[in-house]
Amino acid sequence: KAGVTQTPRYLIKTRGQQVTLSCSPISGHRSVSWYQQTPGQGLQFLFEYFSETQRNKGNFPGRFSGRQFSNSRSEMNVSTLELGDSALYLCASSFEGGNTIYFGEGSWLTVV
Amino acid sequence: KNQVEQSPQSLIILEGKNCTLQCNYTVSPFSNLRWYKQDTGRGPVSLTIMTFSENTKSNGRYTATLDADTKQSSLHITASQLSDSASYICVVSFFTNAGKSTFGDGTTLTVKP
Repeated sequence: KAGVTQTPRYLIKTRGQQVTLSCSPISGHRSVSWYQQTPGQGLQFLFEYFSETQRNKGNFPGRFSGRQFSNSRSEMNVSTLELGDSALYLCASSFEGGNTIYFGEGSWLTVV
Repeated sequence: KNQVEQSPQSLIILEGKNCTLQCNYTVSPFSNLRWYKQDTGRGPVSLTIMTFSENTKSNGRYTATLDADTKQSSLHITASQLSDSASYICVVSFFTNAGKSTFGDGTTLTVKP
């Protein structure tokens, strides 16, 4: 059974640009959540999607957005990138009502 | 405000030694508590999960304990190996969906030969 897949694994963007990250959850998982992790910092919750609807949202500005498709795949978008957006972005999936969330390997974003 | 606090922030031990990591939480109502291991630059991997009615759970050399009355959990690592060097994250949930989880900042463990 394939795990959570995130693409791209690494990317470099310039300030002011926008970026889209993709996440394919484990087959059968309907919940997808996104997290930001900056070097030396803990995981910060961005948002969670379930059945194409945003169910929970963290305290991030509106530049951070996401969506979920009918096949449960999810994308997150960051517009008008800032240097402080440089981080590891992690996606996680779980069953409906599942207790364990499974993380992908993350997408390393560097903003220069 | 619901919080999860982990201690120590970092820890260095010699290979073969045991260690214990702590997690104190104020999340209420409590649903479950999970410990994750995160290698540098990788995604976290689940080690253990406990509901409020469980007080211990083992996964190989990792043993997690939970005291729901004092809202404390610990992760004990036995006979440490170099590969145990990682960040260990405690996660406490209200309910079972990811958005209601509160993450600790993690403990960075370094195992030296």
